[in-house]
Amino acid sequence: DADVTQTPRNRITKTGKRIMLECSQTKGHDRMYWYRQDPGLGLRLIYYSFDVKDINKGEISDGYSVSRQAQAKFSLSLESAIPNQTALYFCATSDHGSLGEAFFGQGTRLTVV
Amino acid sequence: GEDVEQSLFLSVREGDSSVINCTYTDSSSTYLYWYKQEPGAGLQLLTYIFSNMDMKQDQRLTVLLNKKDKHLSLRIADTQTGDSAIYFCAELTEGGNKLTFGTGTQLKVEL
Repeated sequence: DADVTQTPRNRITKTGKRIMLECSQTKGHDRMYWYRQDPGLGLRLIYYSFDVKDINKGEISDGYSVSRQAQAKFSLSLESAIPNQTALYFCATSDHGSLGEAFFGQGTRLTVV
Repeated sequence: GEDVEQSLFLSVREGDSSVINCTYTDSSSTYLYWYKQEPGAGLQLLTYIFSNMDMKQDQRLTVLLNKKDKHLSLRIADTQTGDSAIYFCAELTEGGNKLTFGTGTQLKVEL
């Protein structure tokens, strides 16, 4: 089983719909992150959380919200999806005591039509 | 700013060396990393270098760091078709709280 699991792996949704992407981890890490990947732009940080009661905005948080339901679970929501949110989304985890190494899920490909 | 820049594409022949370059802007970075993304997969850490080092070698991989110019490179010796992937450099900033990624370099290895 993967250490960082994202669901769903692929999703097509309509403009204006609410959608939630889920992430769970079995590594016992305290830090969790959501990134989006776009061609030519690399990975951009949407939100991050250092523990269950800690939520921080990244560089592109507008249009997104997150919930850290437990240490192992971190979900990303698009309240009203728009086409420019079509992208590959990655969840990642890290341990504050480590060298900063991040462990990634396999990604969720989201298409907003 | 914390922009991390990379060229988008690199094409090499099998058996040749590949050099992927990265420039960063945050001089307070403590660690710098190279991640590899294979098709349909997430990113995996390849190697890292501490900011007080200027070189690190790990089998076919050599990382060079020029702190004065804020330049990081990854050399892959004897490049194989299995090395075809997107390579991201990343820097750890804000007191170790934030990992900022570059734009990624797509490496294509031709026979």
